[in-house]
Amino acid sequence: AQTVTQSQPEMSVQEAETVTLSCTYDTSESNYYLFWYKQPPSRQMILVIRQEAYKQQNATENRFSVNFQKAAKSFSLKISDSQLGDTAMYFCAFMSHQGAQKLVFGQGTRLTINP
Amino acid sequence: DSGVTQTPKHLITATGQRVTLRCSPRSGDLSVYWYQQSLDQGLQFLIQYYNGEERAKGNILERFSAQQFPDLHSELNLSSLELGDSALYFCASSAPGAPGNTIYFGEGSWLTVV
Repeated sequence: AQTVTQSQPEMSVQEAETVTLSCTYDTSESNYYLFWYKQPPSRQMILVIRQEAYKQQNATENRFSVNFQKAAKSFSLKISDSQLGDTAMYFCAFMSHQGAQKLVFGQGTRLTINP
Repeated sequence: DSGVTQTPKHLITATGQRVTLRCSPRSGDLSVYWYQQSLDQGLQFLIQYYNGEERAKGNILERFSAQQFPDLHSELNLSSLELGDSALYFCASSAPGAPGNTIYFGEGSWLTVV
């Protein structure tokens, strides 16, 4: 079974700084999908970014980008010019290309942006 | 707003009782998923339905059941409730077609069992 590990339970940075959240996963599959979701204090799960494993180019969404290292099974999220509204729990998630289209989540990283 | 609607947003009930959580997926989405988020277990996949049929099952207890109706809304039934069932229950949906489509989450239903 696939597993997702987020090794940083909590992180804290100053507003406008850049922060990188780590995620590693374990799978024997070659084709899959990776996601970062954000869960602010409102508790809603919001998609931040999506990566397809067969695409070597790292996904980018405005201030959010990923560093996808397939061989290392690593999928880190970089937030540039961090804002107070980025304060949230961030979850890394894995989805297999075949079989059940379910998300396997890591334990999350609590990110606090300080003014 | 993800377009996934869940009701109720909050409910408090006693041990041994039964509750039903309701979900309407995004317009056009055929897949509905249920997830449970608790402090000790994190985010766990419970079950997936696709166009009315059960597609995948995760860590769903036998006391829990779900269904997806012809209009594609879904219900999660939780019975013989225990204190440990207190959690945030998410419904999510995704579009049909290629695998790997993004899964969009509702705001969740907070269940407190006392």
